[in-house]
Amino acid sequence: SQQGEEDPQALSIQEGENATMNCSYKTSINNLQWYRQNSGRGLVHLILIRSNEREKHSGRLRVTLDTSKKSSSLLITASRAADTASYFCATEGSNDYKLSFGAGTTVTVRA
Amino acid sequence: EAGVTQFPSHSVIEKGQTVTLRCDPISGHDNLYWYRRVMGKEIKFLLHFVKESKQDESGMPNNRFLAERTGGTYSTLKVQPAELEDSGVYFCASSQTTYTGELFFGEGSRLTVL
Repeated sequence: SQQGEEDPQALSIQEGENATMNCSYKTSINNLQWYRQNSGRGLVHLILIRSNEREKHSGRLRVTLDTSKKSSSLLITASRAADTASYFCATEGSNDYKLSFGAGTTVTVRA
Repeated sequence: EAGVTQFPSHSVIEKGQTVTLRCDPISGHDNLYWYRRVMGKEIKFLLHFVKESKQDESGMPNNRFLAERTGGTYSTLKVQPAELEDSGVYFCASSQTTYTGELFFGEGSRLTVL
């Protein structure tokens, strides 16, 4: 069954704007990860946040995690055309180490 | 360092035929995973190898799917006979340790069953 569920399904923004997408999950986790997939390519790991962390930054990326609400958000600041991609959240369950992915958020950054 | 490589990148076959997908993980990675994405839906786990052993194959859809990992190196995923609903993108990923978190993905093998 699907563990992570991203929202929105699709997002279109202007270059320079911020993009925010959310992920909700169902069971307790060890960590939550975000991956990016450019069209026709493989998934690339962006950032990992552990269950005891609340916020993490990496370059223009900011991830938050609220385990009480079983949700996470990914913020991309000052978006660029190269950020156009699908973004997936993946959860590593505390009882089931394998990663479970959602269906992704497709982000389009307009020049 | 070479990444995870998958072959073929795209395969088109008729229903009832057989297809074999191959994955070469990053050298030294004991863990190898297969995932599948169908029709823009979620990326679903298929199975996990640790070296040559199947650690978890709970995601394999049915017995038409057979995965092997020869000598703990490359892996193959065979679909026989293929059905229409098998169409999708099959991703392979590898990691050095089971609990490291981050997976390294290949570019996927797109399977189209007509």
